[in-house]
Amino acid sequence: DAGITQSPRHKVTETGTPVTLRCHQTENHRYMYWYRQDPGHGLRLIHYSYGVKDTDKGEVSDGYSVSRSKTEDFLLTLESATSSQTSVYFCAISPLAGGGRISPLHFGNGTRLTVT
Amino acid sequence: GQNIDQPTEMTATEGAIVQINCTYQTSGFNGLFWYQQHAGEAPTFLSYNVLDGLEEKGRFSSFLSRSKGYSYLLLKELQMKDSASYLCAVRVLQGYSNYQLIWGAGTKLIIKP
Repeated sequence: DAGITQSPRHKVTETGTPVTLRCHQTENHRYMYWYRQDPGHGLRLIHYSYGVKDTDKGEVSDGYSVSRSKTEDFLLTLESATSSQTSVYFCAISPLAGGGRISPLHFGNGTRLTVT
Repeated sequence: GQNIDQPTEMTATEGAIVQINCTYQTSGFNGLFWYQQHAGEAPTFLSYNVLDGLEEKGRFSSFLSRSKGYSYLLLKELQMKDSASYLCAVRVLQGYSNYQLIWGAGTKLIIKP
């Protein structure tokens, strides 16, 4: 699976609580991405990283923050979870920005988050 | 704005051929991907087109026409395991070196015996 793992796989939390999702890679890829996937929508980019401590916002970044203190780890934090953040979250990695023929994005298995 | 359109759902019969279309309106086009996603699983890479024409890979082929903003994924000899969602994504260059992916909502393909 391209050496990428997400944790936890499932989480149920209450509105207003902080939540952190972890993405860990063993491929030493430069680019890491956090997406959310909801019915009727394509994958929507939350935040991405292009190196240690180098991150930028995606199209749906409000309510989310990220950190990348090591090449292999990319953390997604919901500071105060809301019901609208109930979703499936995917982490993806690539050595090339946006991926390419030889280096497409490889995805983790996802985290299903429910905010009650 | 950047936009990708795919049919929401398609149904086909085992052993048949199906074509899944993707149209896009984007600026800074820099390649088009197709991914397969089985229910409850992660997307997995199928194909990449950056030049016009057809790319064949086993039972799957992908076609691109940049002038028409159009691509299709062709699946032959359909098998039950091909039941999945198929995601179209366009790689775009924004600014000097900022490459991003724009994703379609996906096409759910249902295979019937």
